Amino acid sequence: QSVLTQPPSVSAAPGQKVTISCSGSTSNIGNNYVSWYQQLPGTAPKLLISENNKRPSGIPDRFSASKSGTTATLAITGLQTGDEADYYCATWDSRLSLNFGVFGGGTKLNVL
Amino acid sequence: EVQLEESGGGLVLPGGSLRLSCAASGFTFSAYSMHWVRQTPGKGLEFVSSISGNGGSTFYAKSAKDRFTISRDNSANTLYLQMGSLRAEDKAVYYCARGGYCSATTCYIGGLDVWGQGTTVTVSS
Repeated sequence: QSVLTQPPSVSAAPGQKVTISCSGSTSNIGNNYVSWYQQLPGTAPKLLISENNKRPSGIPDRFSASKSGTTATLAITGLQTGDEADYYCATWDSRLSLNFGVFGGGTKLNVL
Repeated sequence: EVQLEESGGGLVLPGGSLRLSCAASGFTFSAYSMHWVRQTPGKGLEFVSSISGNGGSTFYAKSAKDRFTISRDNSANTLYLQMGSLRAEDKAVYYCARGGYCSATTCYIGGLDVWGQGTTVTVSS
């Protein structure tokens, strides 16, 4: 059971927009940066979004993210078949009992 | 080119030990906090351990505490994970990753921007 909750899967057609949520609490998302990762099959994760909403160099502006309270959201517009992948959110959990990095359970994006 | 390359994975008996290495190149290694992240077959990502740039602060998942030790040799640009008392549930692909900043008491994970290709650990009799 992940500390951060993501939907197991989302689906949309090519060209459409999809959003992936990542729900946490004040000890993690509410008071720490959120980052997002894309993992294509058989490959290492790749940073998509850092510090809640910043795109690293080379990441298309079709990918964007936001954070409100204890929920972060990744949005992908103009979906392409190459976007089919697993997407993960991550942050630090500052609870004394944890004080460690946490990932969401991951969301599989299906581009129909 | 900025790069991380893991090595040291393999097959180990339950209760055995293994040391993973992560060789860094193309950047000032000591300036970055580093992390080990694992992925069990068909499942999601899990932070295993984190270490500050100077190696003075370390953090562990509950599942790794008292069994795994993270360390780094900044003169050799290498990150290590010494794993002991290995269990079947430790079977995973282990990635090293760069990013964030770790102080004496906590880390700020802005984003893990460089990842290795992963090394596979199998624990089986």
